Amino acid sequence: GNSVTQMQGQVTLSEEEFLFINCTYSTTGYPTLFWYVQYPGEGPQLLLKVTTANNKGSSRGFEATYDKGTTSFHLQKASVQESDSAVYYCVLAPSGGSNAKLTFGKGTKLSVKS
Amino acid sequence: EAAVTQSPRNKVTVTGGNVTLSCRQTNSHNYMYWYRQDTGHGLRLIHYSYGAGNLQIGDVPDGYKATRTTQEDFFLLLELASPSQTSLYFCASSDNYEQYFGPGTRLTVL
Repeated sequence: GNSVTQMQGQVTLSEEEFLFINCTYSTTGYPTLFWYVQYPGEGPQLLLKVTTANNKGSSRGFEATYDKGTTSFHLQKASVQESDSAVYYCVLAPSGGSNAKLTFGKGTKLSVKS
Repeated sequence: EAAVTQSPRNKVTVTGGNVTLSCRQTNSHNYMYWYRQDTGHGLRLIHYSYGAGNLQIGDVPDGYKATRTTQEDFFLLLELASPSQTSLYFCASSDNYEQYFGPGTRLTVL
């Protein structure tokens, strides 16, 4: 089956520090990969999406690169702000499938202190 | 204007009670989903649907029924609620891989 692993349950940073959140995945073929973000009191929303065609995605200062060799899709940001405090989910959509089931990682809670 | 709405936003019931959670989307999307969110588990898919009258089983369906009455409306039914179903429930809609989520319903089963 499909699986997504986020080993970091929680990350605490100070403003302007570098953010790196690990994500690895397991599936057959070449999936489409996403990062979703969930702010307190809200539902998750799409942050960025990467396919095999473009390999890299970016949005709102965040970047993620699709590495088929290591089956990883890490999220990075050069300088975090307090407003980035949220839960970040690494998400997989299987290759060749319909737009049906996404597989979510367990999420990484980012807390940014001012 | 919120495109995915859920009601109620909060619900408290007792063990064995009957609960219906409602979701409406105005995105004209074919797919709708019900998830539960619990600490340490992230989001887990309960049921989903690709159109009125259709229902697909998700990853954690036990104890839940669902019904899609129209393209806009998707309901989650707990006919004999148990404390293990205390959770935050999210509905979502999509027409490609991007899913749009509602604000959630917090359910407590005493």
